[in-house]
Amino acid sequence: EDQVTQSPEALRLQEGESSSLNCSYTVSGLRGLFWYRQDPGKGPEFLFTLYSAGEEKEKERLKATLTKKESFLHITAPKPEDSATYLCAVQAGNSGGSNYKLTFGKGTLLTVNP
Amino acid sequence: GAGVSQSPRYKVAKRGQDVALRCDPISGHVSLFWYQQALGQGPEFLTYFQNEAQLDKSGLPSDRFFAERPEGSVSTLKIQRTQQEDSAVYLCASSQGPTGLTEAFFGQGTRLTVV
Repeated sequence: EDQVTQSPEALRLQEGESSSLNCSYTVSGLRGLFWYRQDPGKGPEFLFTLYSAGEEKEKERLKATLTKKESFLHITAPKPEDSATYLCAVQAGNSGGSNYKLTFGKGTLLTVNP
Repeated sequence: GAGVSQSPRYKVAKRGQDVALRCDPISGHVSLFWYQQALGQGPEFLTYFQNEAQLDKSGLPSDRFFAERPEGSVSTLKIQRTQQEDSAVYLCASSQGPTGLTEAFFGQGTRLTVV
């Protein structure tokens, strides 16, 4: 069974204090690893898709990296508007199972104080 | 509309009542997903449509849950004889491609409370 574990559960940073969020996964045949941002009362908002180990993607203050066992979301010089829950999800390509569904972690609640 | 639209935003149902949740995906999107999100948890997969075909319903928790997308656009998730454990946010997402690997756009969700 596919599993996604995110750590820490909650992270409080001062504005400008860089840090990283972790997503560890076990999956039979990774097709893609996804990062989403979710604000209270809203649906998840797509950030990145990573397909293979060694791949990196950047968007503004965010950079996502992928290894064979985990992904990191690095946040450089965060601002209060980066406060949100960050969700990691995997899509598996295992034969006989669902090739379409995303399996999500519980998320990391990030709070950036001014 | 520009995004995925879900209605109603909030629904309170008495235990045993039937409910229907609607999802209007982005026009032209082939893939449509339903997810269930409990408080403090990540979304959990319910079902997947590729156009009008329901290709995966492995996540539906019981036969009280039923989803359809008859014309390959609007989708409805129906829950019969609601129970308290059905209380959650129900999220709909759509994506352009048939594999689900392309960027998925989520709606704001329907918060269902069963009392």
